[in-house]
Amino acid sequence: GESVGLHLPTLSVQEGDNSIINCAYSNSASDYFIWYKQESGKGPQFIIDIRSNMDKRQGQRVTVLLNKTVKHLSLQIAATQPGDSAVYFCAETGGSNYKLTFGKGTLLTVNP
Amino acid sequence: GAGVSQSPSNKVTEKGKDVELRCDPISGHTALYWYRQSLGQGLEFLIYFQGNSAPDKSGLPSDRFSAERTGGSVSTLTIQRTQQEDSAVYLCAGSTAANYGYTFGSGTRLTVV
Repeated sequence: GESVGLHLPTLSVQEGDNSIINCAYSNSASDYFIWYKQESGKGPQFIIDIRSNMDKRQGQRVTVLLNKTVKHLSLQIAATQPGDSAVYFCAETGGSNYKLTFGKGTLLTVNP
Repeated sequence: GAGVSQSPSNKVTEKGKDVELRCDPISGHTALYWYRQSLGQGLEFLIYFQGNSAPDKSGLPSDRFSAERTGGSVSTLTIQRTQQEDSAVYLCAGSTAANYGYTFGSGTRLTVV
């Protein structure tokens, strides 16, 4: 079936480095994508979103890139900090107008 | 309230027992979702409420799972005759209408022993 998946289950970076977390999706009907951050013992928190009519969107220290040709989504975190350590999920609409389909997540560990 | 409240935060139950998980969403969030997160896995959709109605129950794993919502607010997820494979974190999320702007609760960690 169609699904959202991630290339790397874990990512370890040094504090101050830039991080890139990748996500592949297969449902061409998806028109909206979101990145969530989940810290231990907490629910996922919204980070940034992007609609399919855009290729790039920037937030504070984060950038999301969307490549619809290869169905690929990435989250870039600039100057990664220890507080960025968490599991990051991508989510897509999957053609639904009310629910999201989530990927498995990438564990980001930031070493001081 | 200020956020989505889920209770209990942790629940350990014996195999075969019934459990009830509660979600109290943000006031005004008419859409409510239940997701399940197994260890090291992504979020698995269970059910979607719009108001008190559940137009999409397609994610409920078996007839042992049921959910209701009353007053367009509090929702209860009930698991009957729990099995070990039901062990997971159950997350509730709400949004205004159905616009994907989910606000999640911290979840209930269910352990079936």
